[in-house]
Amino acid sequence: NAGVTQTPKFRILKIGQSMTLQCTQDMNHNYMYWYRQDPGMGLKLIYYSVGAGITDKGEVPNGYNVSRSTTEDFPLRLELAAPSQTSVYFCASSPGTSGRALAKNIQYFGAGTRLSVL
Amino acid sequence: AQSVAQPEDQVNVAEGNPLTVKCTYSVSGNPYLFWYVQYPNRGLQFLLKYITGDNLVKGSYGFEAEFNKSQTSFHLKKPSALVSDSALYFCAVRDDSSASKIIFGSGTRLSIRP
Repeated sequence: NAGVTQTPKFRILKIGQSMTLQCTQDMNHNYMYWYRQDPGMGLKLIYYSVGAGITDKGEVPNGYNVSRSTTEDFPLRLELAAPSQTSVYFCASSPGTSGRALAKNIQYFGAGTRLSVL
Repeated sequence: AQSVAQPEDQVNVAEGNPLTVKCTYSVSGNPYLFWYVQYPNRGLQFLLKYITGDNLVKGSYGFEAEFNKSQTSFHLKKPSALVSDSALYFCAVRDDSSASKIIFGSGTRLSIRP
């Protein structure tokens, strides 16, 4: 059972470059999320989606874009990389408020993408 | 607005001793509370949650958490710590304004010495 898969695991970008962080889940979850975790800090929500075709901004959306064309995939796009975007990025999915009571609202995380912008 | 606070950046415990990782919350409605654990170079893993019912919630790896409404706390506990419990622990609360989001605390690093 793969769960939430993120690629790549590591990446180094030059300032101004662009890239897409990939995230896919095989649990048929409606809800998906992108977080960033800076060293020694907690998680900050970048964008989230409650279903295919629906996305919304989180706490720190500037400099990022997302799309949700399928239930499984939720890619995160960095258009003009900046040093301030150096971080570890986590994708997560959740069944939300539907499904089994034990699983409601639980988020399942990928292993993360470690990004450095130099 | 809802929030969670983890007052300790780090907790140090000797192996075999009981451990407590503290969390307090602030919500306008009924609290939906969670604990997650993050091992080095890994994503967060769900440990346990409180929605309603028994104030003592049991979770994975022998952890439990005690919900205290009067003190607005949800402390994570384990009777006997293991070195392998060393990790970063996050308390979280469901966002009142959007049931699809949860808000994470800043994290507490738990270090268990042999």
